[in-house]
Amino acid sequence: DAGITQSPRHKVTETGTPVTLRCHQTENHRYMYWYRQDPGHGLRLIHYSYGVKDTDKGEVSDGYSVSRSKTEDFLLTLESATSSQTSVYFCALSRGATDTQYFGPGTRLTVL
Amino acid sequence: GDSVTQMEGPVTLSEEAFLTINCTYTATGYPSLFWYVQYPGEGLQLLLKATKADDKGSNKGFEATYRKETTSFHLEKGSVQVSDSAVYFCALGSSGGSYIPTFGRGTSLIVHP
Repeated sequence: DAGITQSPRHKVTETGTPVTLRCHQTENHRYMYWYRQDPGHGLRLIHYSYGVKDTDKGEVSDGYSVSRSKTEDFLLTLESATSSQTSVYFCALSRGATDTQYFGPGTRLTVL
Repeated sequence: GDSVTQMEGPVTLSEEAFLTINCTYTATGYPSLFWYVQYPGEGLQLLLKATKADDKGSNKGFEATYRKETTSFHLEKGSVQVSDSAVYFCALGSSGGSYIPTFGRGTSLIVHP
């Protein structure tokens, strides 16, 4: 199994506050992804990275930004959290773009 | 663009019943195909995969065959257990120069004793 951790695992915050979620890997995989999972919507891609400092938007990127300054860390930032961003956030990584995705345990975020 | 359609759930079965979860896809290239499983409170994990047409992926009694002619990758298991209760996702690997995989909406499986 790929070594992948997410922090925090749970967070409750208030509308309008900034929030940063961290994804850390020990596998040296090139590709990293942030998804959100909501009932009735399945998994939706927020942003992804195809290398250090190389990132791009997914289908639901509005209100989110990301950074990847080193291979092992991929940060997701909600600049000003809204209640619609209450969700479970998953980080995933893969060795190659067409390869198996390895998922982290998830972060449950509640925005009040 | 690429897309995955899988049967909506929940699928409810008795223990030892036969399971089929249908998955069909559209793709511009020839992607690898995957089934992932998600247990409550956890992230997705790979169940099985197939990388080319006619390949059969198998794991833990589950099987799926990459059918290019019908663009399908149906998941089957001959005898389900209560511990198989989970959400199952069919997925396409990225193809055609994209870095983005495509996931189905997921199918919930509930197995009763």
